[in-house]
Amino acid sequence: DAGITQSPRHKVTETGTPVTLRCHQTENHRYMYWYRQDPGHGLRLIHYSYGVKDTDKGEVSDGYSVSRSKTEDFLLTLESATSSQTSVYFCATSGGSYEQYFGPGTRLTVT
Amino acid sequence: ILNVEQSPQSLHVQEGDSTNFTCSFPSSNFYALHWYRWETAKSPEALFVMTLNGDEKKKGRISATLNTKEGYSYLYIKGSQPEDSATYLCAQGSGNTGKLIFGQGTTLQVKP
Repeated sequence: DAGITQSPRHKVTETGTPVTLRCHQTENHRYMYWYRQDPGHGLRLIHYSYGVKDTDKGEVSDGYSVSRSKTEDFLLTLESATSSQTSVYFCATSGGSYEQYFGPGTRLTVT
Repeated sequence: ILNVEQSPQSLHVQEGDSTNFTCSFPSSNFYALHWYRWETAKSPEALFVMTLNGDEKKKGRISATLNTKEGYSYLYIKGSQPEDSATYLCAQGSGNTGKLIFGQGTTLQVKP
C-alpha cells in the first residue's frame, strides 16, 4: 500500500466556516486527487494535481480549492462550508502506472 | 453512453454462487478501464487496470474482460465467498493525468 494519510479523519463544522483537509503521501507519487463520496453518486473527482503547484478541476469543483506546495502534501479547502459539502472525502495518489491508491477518508459534517 | 454505468446496483448471492457485473462506458477516446474493490469502512483497492480491447485479467477467483469497441467490461467472481462482500467500482481513465470517472458501483452481498 502507498503510504497515504488524511487529516483530520472526522470533522464537524458549522455552515460558513472555512475547512482545510490534508492529504499526505510518502511514495513520491506525482499525481494526487481529491474525491467525495455520496450515496447514489459513487466517487466524484473534485480536483487533482499533476505536480507541485500544478492543479486542475474535476467534476465537482465548485466551492473547493486546492494547493500543492510540495510533492507529499495536497490540501483541499472549503472556503465557506455548506451543508451540501457534508460527505466523505478521499485522497488518492498515482505514480503514473494507472493504479490509484486511496487514503482512509475524512468524514466531514457541516451543520 | 455518456457516463460510466454499472449494473446491477446490488446483488445478493449464496456462498458458492458465481456472479458477474457489467460496466458500460463511452467507447470513444478510450484510455483505460479500472476495477476497484471497496469493503465497508475501508478504502477502495485496485483490482485490475485494462487498456487493450480483448484484455482479460485474473486474480484468484476474480476475473475481468474488456471490450473497448462496444464500451463494456465484465467482472466475474467464481464461487463467491462471504469475504467477497463489497462494493465493486469501475472507472474510466482519461489521458495520462490519471483522472478517473467512476460508476456508482455494484454492491455484492454473499450469504454463508
